[in-house]
Amino acid sequence: KNQVEQSPQSLIILEGKNCTLQCNYTVSPFSNLRWYKQDTGRGPVSLTIMTFSENTKSNGRYTATLDADTKQSSLHITASQLSDSASYICVVSVRNSGYALNFGKGTSLLVTP
Amino acid sequence: EPEVTQTPSHQVTQMGQEVILRCVPISNHLYFYWYRQILGQKVEFLVSFYNNEISEKSEIFDDQFSVERPDGSNFTLKIRSTKLEDSAMYFCATEGTGDYGYTFGSGTRLTVV
Repeated sequence: KNQVEQSPQSLIILEGKNCTLQCNYTVSPFSNLRWYKQDTGRGPVSLTIMTFSENTKSNGRYTATLDADTKQSSLHITASQLSDSASYICVVSVRNSGYALNFGKGTSLLVTP
Repeated sequence: EPEVTQTPSHQVTQMGQEVILRCVPISNHLYFYWYRQILGQKVEFLVSFYNNEISEKSEIFDDQFSVERPDGSNFTLKIRSTKLEDSAMYFCATEGTGDYGYTFGSGTRLTVV
């Protein structure tokens, strides 16, 4: 069964600090892995997308890594801001599936002053 | 930046009633999706739609659900006889050819009472 597991479930950090969120998946055959940011009551917004051959991708203060051998990914947030408070969701798509996405439950991040 | 527009933003309906959720996709996008997110749970795939037909659906998408593009632009999700457990946020997403970037709408919060 295709699964996407994220840790930690929630995280509180001080403004200006860095943090790293983890994602493990069992999705197969793998197509690509995405990280999304979801504010409460809003739709997910794409941060990064990585295919099998990519092992790192950055988008501003967000840097995602992918190890396709161990089926692990991480999202590193640098110099956190209050507006980074949101749920960060790891999403994996299956090749030849019609591009349906498999979502993790997300890590709820709270950045405090 | 192009947006996916969903209406209404919030709908309250009585159990057993039919509801239609509407989505206006990005104009040059060809792949359309519906997802739902029950409060506190992860986002779940419902159905994908391409070339005016369903390309994939999940086990959640049973006979009470249907999708269509009634006028070639709007993309709708109909729930024929709503149940209490249909209460959730429903997200429309669209994707263009050759573009890995899904774009999600802001969602419709459906409350069944």
